[in-house]
Amino acid sequence: EVQLVQSGTEVKEPGESLKISCMGSGYTFTNRWIGWVRQVPGKGLEWMGSIYPGDSTIMYSPSFQGQVTISADKSTNVASLQWSSLKTSDTAMYYCVRGYYGTINSYFDYWGQGILVSVSP
Amino acid sequence: EIVLTQSPGTLSLSPGERATLSCRASQSVSSNYLAWYQQKPGQAPRLLIYGASSRATGIPDRFSGSGSGTEFTLAISRLEPEDFAVFYCQQYHTSPLTFGQGTKVELK
Repeated sequence: EVQLVQSGTEVKEPGESLKISCMGSGYTFTNRWIGWVRQVPGKGLEWMGSIYPGDSTIMYSPSFQGQVTISADKSTNVASLQWSSLKTSDTAMYYCVRGYYGTINSYFDYWGQGILVSVSP
Repeated sequence: EIVLTQSPGTLSLSPGERATLSCRASQSVSSNYLAWYQQKPGQAPRLLIYGASSRATGIPDRFSGSGSGTEFTLAISRLEPEDFAVFYCQQYHTSPLTFGQGTKVELK
């Protein structure tokens, strides 16, 4: 059974750093893109970027390029999303998603349960 | 960037009624690389439709997708109580991958 299991809720202050994670299981981790989708409370879905763990190719949405860093460790089947300096506007639910195809041009067939990141002074 | 515009913003219907949701793209979505997702409160979205018209595994046949180019539709033939939720379209033809803003199907 394919699963994406994400780490727990994070409460941070502005300016702090953060790394959240997503562990994939039940499939060959290196053969599918893993992405991150943001959902601000009460708002819609935004694709942030994706990584192909097989060769660590990364694609970012222009809206998030330079704002976050996506990485993956194929030895542990874990994908990560990190910030060097959080802002209050980073408060949101973050979902990791699996791309069905082995290309960036894919829909998301599996979703993690989501991680709520709350940033406030 | 391909902008997806969904309409209506909210659809108020009763169980048993038919729901028709629209997703319009700012430019052609080639190869019908268009997906639909359903999100219930407090839950992650789940895939309903991919390739504009193919149902994902386990999705009931009351859900159907159609369209091509810039105009796509999700239809729910007879609403069940568990179908009330927010629905999003997503194009995966061109990076950045983009979602529509969502349509809420609410109980009338």
